[in-house]
Amino acid sequence: DADVTQTPRNRITKTGKRIMLECSQTKGHDRMYWYRQDPGLGLRLIYYSFDVKDINKGEISDGYSVSRQAQAKFSLSLESAIPNQTALYFCATSDFGLGGEETQYFGPGTRLLVL
Amino acid sequence: AQTVTQSQPEMSVQEAETVTLSCTYDTSESNYYLFWYKQPPSRQMILVIRQEAYKQQNATENRFSVNFQKAAKSFSLKISDSQLGDTAMYFCAFALNAGNMLTFGGGTRLMVKP
Repeated sequence: DADVTQTPRNRITKTGKRIMLECSQTKGHDRMYWYRQDPGLGLRLIYYSFDVKDINKGEISDGYSVSRQAQAKFSLSLESAIPNQTALYFCATSDFGLGGEETQYFGPGTRLLVL
Repeated sequence: AQTVTQSQPEMSVQEAETVTLSCTYDTSESNYYLFWYKQPPSRQMILVIRQEAYKQQNATENRFSVNFQKAAKSFSLKISDSQLGDTAMYFCAFALNAGNMLTFGGGTRLMVKP
């Protein structure tokens, strides 16, 4: 499985603060994703990147920005955090199997609380 | 846009018994992938099983199998011989061939009782 790490694992911040969540992977996957998980809503896609020069908005990108610093690193920023951004954030990477199928591998998640 | 619906917020099953989790989806596409992910209390998202829409044969992975009904847009997960370690949230997810951005259902919380 892909080694996907996220830092920090837990974070408490205040409304209006800028915060960055970081994601790193060691398997050389080109594709990386940021999801947000809220209770009862499953995971929703915030941003995704198919390579270092490619950044795309997902379903709920408002209030977020991302940076793909390298193939292995994909950071998510909240420029001015607000309480309804309190959620569990997941980074994921993906690769292709022998049959051409693509599988996503998830990091451990970052629990963010905005006061 | 695709949607995924899991109509069972919570379920419980006795250890060693069989349980089926339901999932329905809506899409106008004919080629796509369906997934079941498990999220234990550790919060990690773990891929359980995957089904390609063009394959008629239902996918199986050890104690986990699916019942894929393409016409009905239904994708249920059957867990046989349930174990205490199966206690987790289970998410059904959908992805198109191109890009593979996942659309998730709301999840089903499964409790396996001793």
